[in-house]
Amino acid sequence: DTEVTQTPKHLVMGMTNKKSLKCEQHMGHRAMYWYKQKAKKPPELMFVYSYEKLSINESVPSRFSPECPNSSLLNLHLHALQPEDSALYLCASSARTGTLTDTQYFGPGTRLTVL
Amino acid sequence: SQQGEEDPQALSIQEGENATMNCSYKTSINNLQWYRQNSGRGLVHLILIRSNEREKHSGRLRVTLDTSKKSSSLLITASRAADTASYFCATDGDGGYIPTFGRGTSLIVHP
Repeated sequence: DTEVTQTPKHLVMGMTNKKSLKCEQHMGHRAMYWYKQKAKKPPELMFVYSYEKLSINESVPSRFSPECPNSSLLNLHLHALQPEDSALYLCASSARTGTLTDTQYFGPGTRLTVL
Repeated sequence: SQQGEEDPQALSIQEGENATMNCSYKTSINNLQWYRQNSGRGLVHLILIRSNEREKHSGRLRVTLDTSKKSSSLLITASRAADTASYFCATDGDGGYIPTFGRGTSLIVHP
């Protein structure tokens, strides 16, 4: 199974809402990633978890809060977002971090709209 | 920071033609990967080429790497309408720790 799943597929939220994005993989991968992608732009790395520990935070605002409950799950908690946070949020996993030798497997993404 | 820069940014061809897109990068790399992204979807890994390799093939895909020019090219032969997508190169980036994606090439293949 080389699939990364993400839920929900679409999410519309107000600026005062709290919501969560979920990502799951069952490939035994020990590195998981959150990316943000605006239209016609490349994915921008937000967070990297390695062996369930946060290893990289690319200066992401605190209104985005990642969580890795176990090696298969990755959450992104959202609170007090701004309209400019509207984007496609992609989750990915790879066998390990530390080298680009490992292919990243991406989920289909969650399309987030902040009103 | 973006390491790879794809060229052209947009490419429109007829079905059956070949499509070539290029990626240039700034710092030395260990590996370079190409990904495809259909509109509004996740990225799909196409091919990885290591810094000591010059050319790799996978089906209708041919990737070349010229480390002296810090550039790579992706050739899709006999294109199909289903090849319509955005194509991104990803490099190790500074320190080789995490992939850094280029701006991407938007390919449209007309049936």
